[in-house]
Amino acid sequence: AQSVTQLDSHVSVSEGTPVLLRCNYSSSYSPSLFWYVQHPNKGLQLLLKYTSAATLVKGINGFEAEFKKSETSFHLTKPSAHMSDAAEYFCVVSHNTNAGKSTFGDGTTLTVKP
Amino acid sequence: DAGVTQSPTHLIKTRGQHVTLRCSPISGHKSVSWYQQVLGQGPQFIFQYYEKEERGRGNFPDRFSARQFPNYSSELNVNALLLGDSALYLCASSPVDMAGGVGSYTFGSGTRLTVV
Repeated sequence: AQSVTQLDSHVSVSEGTPVLLRCNYSSSYSPSLFWYVQHPNKGLQLLLKYTSAATLVKGINGFEAEFKKSETSFHLTKPSAHMSDAAEYFCVVSHNTNAGKSTFGDGTTLTVKP
Repeated sequence: DAGVTQSPTHLIKTRGQHVTLRCSPISGHKSVSWYQQVLGQGPQFIFQYYEKEERGRGNFPDRFSARQFPNYSSELNVNALLLGDSALYLCASSPVDMAGGVGSYTFGSGTRLTVV
């Protein structure tokens, strides 16, 4: 079984300040973890993925995430928020024993204030 | 290069009707997955197809069915529509068989289905 919990449904930051979006996961196996972003009326875009290589993963647009097995966490961070980062963010867990099923969290809405 | 294309973009149906949603994957991608995203929630897995075979099915009733064609495009069919079927339906393609290895998806922009 696998599940994802995104700890904050809404996060608001000021432009230029750091971003932290929190994600905890549960998996019976060593998981693969992903972060996707969804802008209004757009499809989901992959930000980054962890697949059992380096625990600190760098993605697009300055985002990165750290896999912490002991804490079962995969938090998404960015040093300095930009207005264009305002969107919905989804943490996703998957494993190749699950026949293609990826489990999404409920999402975190990021608001960036000028 | 064309991304994942879905049609139609919006659709309004009446309860009890059926609907067919279509998806064309990125050229060269053999795996197609379908997800349902209800407003305010994360996408929920419906089906995955690879090389025209069903490789995974989520917790959805038998009213939901899908198929993949020789050109790797796919259709999602929903019969006897309920109000609760109103959602954004997302199609995603991948170059790998998700059951054989974990890759990542490229998503289409979705079909917004409204059931009235």
